[in-house]
Amino acid sequence: KAGVTQTPRYLIKTRGQQVTLSCSPISGHRSVSWYQQTPGQGLQFLFEYFSETQRNKGNFPGRFSGRQFSNSRSEMNVSTLELGDSALYLCASSLVTSGRSVYNEQFFGPGTRLTVL
Amino acid sequence: ILNVEQSPQSLHVQEGDSTNFTCSFPSSNFYALHWYRWETAKSPEALFVMTLNGDEKKKGRISATLNTKEGYSYLYIKGSQPEDSATYLCAFIRVQTGANNLFFGTGTRLTVIP
Repeated sequence: KAGVTQTPRYLIKTRGQQVTLSCSPISGHRSVSWYQQTPGQGLQFLFEYFSETQRNKGNFPGRFSGRQFSNSRSEMNVSTLELGDSALYLCASSLVTSGRSVYNEQFFGPGTRLTVL
Repeated sequence: ILNVEQSPQSLHVQEGDSTNFTCSFPSSNFYALHWYRWETAKSPEALFVMTLNGDEKKKGRISATLNTKEGYSYLYIKGSQPEDSATYLCAFIRVQTGANNLFFGTGTRLTVIP
């Protein structure tokens, strides 16, 4: 079974630009979550999508947005990039049963390393 | 802001030593606790999902315990091997925020010296 894939793996942008990151979950997984990791910080939850709807949202500004497609692939968008957005962005998928994910572990992709200059 | 703390931040042990580290989390509104292993240049990989007070899980030489009443979990590694070198993350899930909103600690970085 193929794992979670993320593209691109590395990205360099300048302040003020916007960026779109993509995540393809494991086949059959309907939940996709996004996390940000900056130096010295743990993984910070951005949001979760399930069945094309945002189900949970972390404490990030509105510049961070996402969406999910009918095939469960998800994209994350960051507009008006700031230097502090430089980070590793991880997505994770999990199997959802009966409409909610009950204690299921998350399967992480390799991440996209974003550098904002 | 929900506080999930892990200690120690880093640890160096000799091959063959046993070791353990701690994850502390709020004891109220507990839903689940996850443990992940994150090796350099790889993706985090789930070790355990723990849900009940008193849970004990084991996978090979690695085991974990859970105390939801006092808000802590221990991860134990018996007879550490160099391939155990990684960052070990715990993640807390609170009832209100849903099953996929994980609050991660900053991790314990383990280095096993051959």
